[in-house]
Amino acid sequence: AQTVTQSQPEMSVQEAETVTLSCTYDTSENNYYLFWYKQPPSRQMILVIRQEAYKQQNATENRFSVNFQKAAKSFSLKISDSQLGDTAMYFCAFIPGTASKLTFGTGTRLQVTL
Amino acid sequence: DTGVSQDPRHKITKRGQNVTFRCDPISEHNRLYWYRQTLGQGPEFLTYFQNEAQLEKSRLLSDRFSAERPKGSFSTLEIQRTEQGDSAMYLCASTPGPNEKLFFGSGTQLSVL
Repeated sequence: AQTVTQSQPEMSVQEAETVTLSCTYDTSENNYYLFWYKQPPSRQMILVIRQEAYKQQNATENRFSVNFQKAAKSFSLKISDSQLGDTAMYFCAFIPGTASKLTFGTGTRLQVTL
Repeated sequence: DTGVSQDPRHKITKRGQNVTFRCDPISEHNRLYWYRQTLGQGPEFLTYFQNEAQLEKSRLLSDRFSAERPKGSFSTLEIQRTEQGDSAMYLCASTPGPNEKLFFGSGTQLSVL
């Protein structure tokens, strides 16, 4: 069975600073996809970034980037120039290429402060 | 693109009652998922449809739960004889294909008293 682990239940960062959220996963598959989703207090799940395992280049989306370490099965999210609107729960998610459903981690609550 | 729509947003019911939730996916998306999320946890997979066919159900989905997608468009999730443990946010998501981005609705928050 695939598992996704987020070892940081809560994190805090000051506005304009950089923060990194950790995620590890366990799989025997070679081809898979990784995602970071953001869930603000409104509880609407919003995709932040997507990474395909067969691509060595780390995905980036504006202030969001990932550090994908396939051998270590690690997929961390870096948020640069943090903004108050980044305050949310962040979920790491994983889907093997042969599977049908996304498996989520337990989430990291990020608080951006002034 | 009007997004994924879920109705109702909130539902309060008494233990033992039946409830039904509706999800309208993005029109061209043939995959539709139901997830359940309790406070402080990540979403847990319940079931998914490829068009009108229900292709997979989680062990979490007891026989009190049933989902349908009769014409491959909207879907309903019914919970019979609700229990307090059913209290959760029920999320619907759709996607155009496997391994693609999931588009989530705003969810239905169920409270069973």
